[in-house]
Amino acid sequence: GAVVSQHPSWVICKSGTSVKIECRSLDFQATTMFWYRQFPKQSLMLMATSNEGSKATYEQGVEKDKFLINHASLTLSTLTVTSAHPEDSSFYICSARDNRNSREKLFFGSGTQLSVL
Amino acid sequence: GENVEQHPSTLSVQEGDSAVIKCTYSDSASNYFPWYKQELGKRPQLIIDIRSNVGEKKDQRIAVTLNKTAKHFSLHITETQPEDSAVYFCAATSGSTLGRLYFGRGTQLTVWP
Repeated sequence: GAVVSQHPSWVICKSGTSVKIECRSLDFQATTMFWYRQFPKQSLMLMATSNEGSKATYEQGVEKDKFLINHASLTLSTLTVTSAHPEDSSFYICSARDNRNSREKLFFGSGTQLSVL
Repeated sequence: GENVEQHPSTLSVQEGDSAVIKCTYSDSASNYFPWYKQELGKRPQLIIDIRSNVGEKKDQRIAVTLNKTAKHFSLHITETQPEDSAVYFCAATSGSTLGRLYFGRGTQLTVWP
């Protein structure tokens, strides 16, 4: 199956700093990627849709100035958590759409555990 | 937007028994329904999916059924094994864009040897 790489796998930062998370599609081009967050023992919540070469589309209630998304190439999307606070601590995970054949599928990155002190 | 309900939240079965997890969705335009298995601290793994033009799909011990009229779909695991223990999520698309998945709350499946 397609491979989606996400880095870093975990990060600890001080409150007020910014953290960048990368999501790469390794063996296919992904014009669209998606960012989710997951709190412990809870479901995945869609945050935004990242579109290559255009602005991201954010879900209702997600602050676009807080969670900056950049999708500058067909294989890379980044999520920057700006001025992170303890309530931003969560598991962030990306997914990319592989539509090389007639059966579109989504593949997930390995996730990033963010802890804000 | 789409609202996906999943039940039960926890499920314990004996090895060899069957497990069934049920989900409902609200958006009649949804047309893709994947199921993911997530082990602790790991990424969700797609285990099976179904599209709205199909009523049932089976892959070895795993099957999914879809009732479009009732907006209901289910995951069936037969001959469960301890390694099936994980959290299972159902999901549904909203509209025609594959990827904007809305997930159920998850089911913690525990298979006792």
